[in-house]
Amino acid sequence: GAGVSQSPRYKVAKRGQDVALRCDPISGHVSLFWYQQALGQGPEFLTYFQNEAQLDKSGLPSDRFFAERPEGSVSTLKIQRTQQEDSAVYLCASGGQFTNTEAFFGQGTRLTVV
Amino acid sequence: ILNVEQSPQSLHVQEGDSTNFTCSFPSSNFYALHWYRWETAKSPEALFVMTLNGDEKKKGRISATLNTKEGYSYLYIKGSQPEDSATYLCAFRTSGSRLTFGEGTQLTVNP
Repeated sequence: GAGVSQSPRYKVAKRGQDVALRCDPISGHVSLFWYQQALGQGPEFLTYFQNEAQLDKSGLPSDRFFAERPEGSVSTLKIQRTQQEDSAVYLCASGGQFTNTEAFFGQGTRLTVV
Repeated sequence: ILNVEQSPQSLHVQEGDSTNFTCSFPSSNFYALHWYRWETAKSPEALFVMTLNGDEKKKGRISATLNTKEGYSYLYIKGSQPEDSATYLCAFRTSGSRLTFGEGTQLTVNP
């Protein structure tokens, strides 16, 4: 497709369950970002990849969060032992190589931990 | 810690009204300022990327200005329409790659 695609769109997880969120970036985009948006807040940075290299993971809130992009294209954000405070919309964005270019966002995955 | 603030938090206007809202950001280490429109159940849509002090950009009825010395940007919508209803997010970028977002301004345009 032409845009950034995320799946699933909605995920309900029981507390303690592991989840995996997928992002298909725009073809050829070098940069890939994950953001977390809690209710009533702006999106907050989680991690950044350039191709397959994870250059910045300083925004990951705990060691239960893990992201990978093994072939420099599709990325997966994994959350282990989910907690209620993990409930949020998880946004993925992709962009070109240079930092003044646009970042194009997917529709997000809404995660609800019950 | 970078602080990006948007005001107002929410805004209700009548169809045909013109409106504007503000994004304030740190004036040091500025690299770019992004504006996005986010409609419910859709992807955030990029409106503008602004990099130079004094920049003014326009897309249809929407325009934006940038003042990097004092650390603010205004977004203007002329003749608001119901389809303009959305959350408008600004995001600040330093020389690194990450965007730091404000909390957004939620605009509702009543027919």
